[in-house]
Amino acid sequence: AQSVTQLDSQVPVFEEAPVELRCNYSSSVSVYLFWYVQYPNQGLQLLLKYLSGSTLVKGINGFEAEFNKSQTSFHLRKPSVHISDTAEYFCAVNPSNAGGTSYGKLTFGQGTILTVHP
Amino acid sequence: NAGVTQTPKFQVLKTGQSMTLQCAQDMNHNSMYWYRQDPGMGLRLIYYSASEGTTDKGEVPNGYNVSRLNKREFSLRLESAAPSQTSVYFCASKAGRTIPGELFFGEGSRLTVL
Repeated sequence: AQSVTQLDSQVPVFEEAPVELRCNYSSSVSVYLFWYVQYPNQGLQLLLKYLSGSTLVKGINGFEAEFNKSQTSFHLRKPSVHISDTAEYFCAVNPSNAGGTSYGKLTFGQGTILTVHP
Repeated sequence: NAGVTQTPKFQVLKTGQSMTLQCAQDMNHNSMYWYRQDPGMGLRLIYYSASEGTTDKGEVPNGYNVSRLNKREFSLRLESAAPSQTSVYFCASKAGRTIPGELFFGEGSRLTVL
């Protein structure tokens, strides 16, 4: 079984400041890692994913995340945030040996609400 | 470009009442999923359907039933609603069997059980 812990439930920042949203996971097998974003009153959309290869992954809207296998972390970063980045962010994992239909059975973290102030 | 459409968006039920949440996708995806979202708990998988004609339990299936009506539609039914089922429900779909984790979500259905 897998578990995901997002270390901050809420992160307030000022516009144009850098931000890091932290995600740690626990798993007995290798995993694929994802960050999803949920804007107010909308469904979730994929921000970025790590499947293999380079541990630094770039996503949409200027976000990036770094996979650290030894620390079992997948922290999300953005060097300069905008008001429009205000949303809830979810880290999720999927066992890499799951295969087929299990590729949609994600284990999500609790979510981090990012609020960007002017 | 509709994507994943859920109905209704809001619903209030009394304990013991039944209802069905509808979900349809127009992306020709094979797999469909129902998740529930509760504050501080993230999303948890209720049921999923790998393909038309198949359904399987997820992490929290108790109190729910599902039907994969055809390739486009996947419904979630609460036979006897309980206050613990107050939640936001999301339907999602995924394209292929070999693409990990890239789910497309609907806008959610907010259910309150009194």
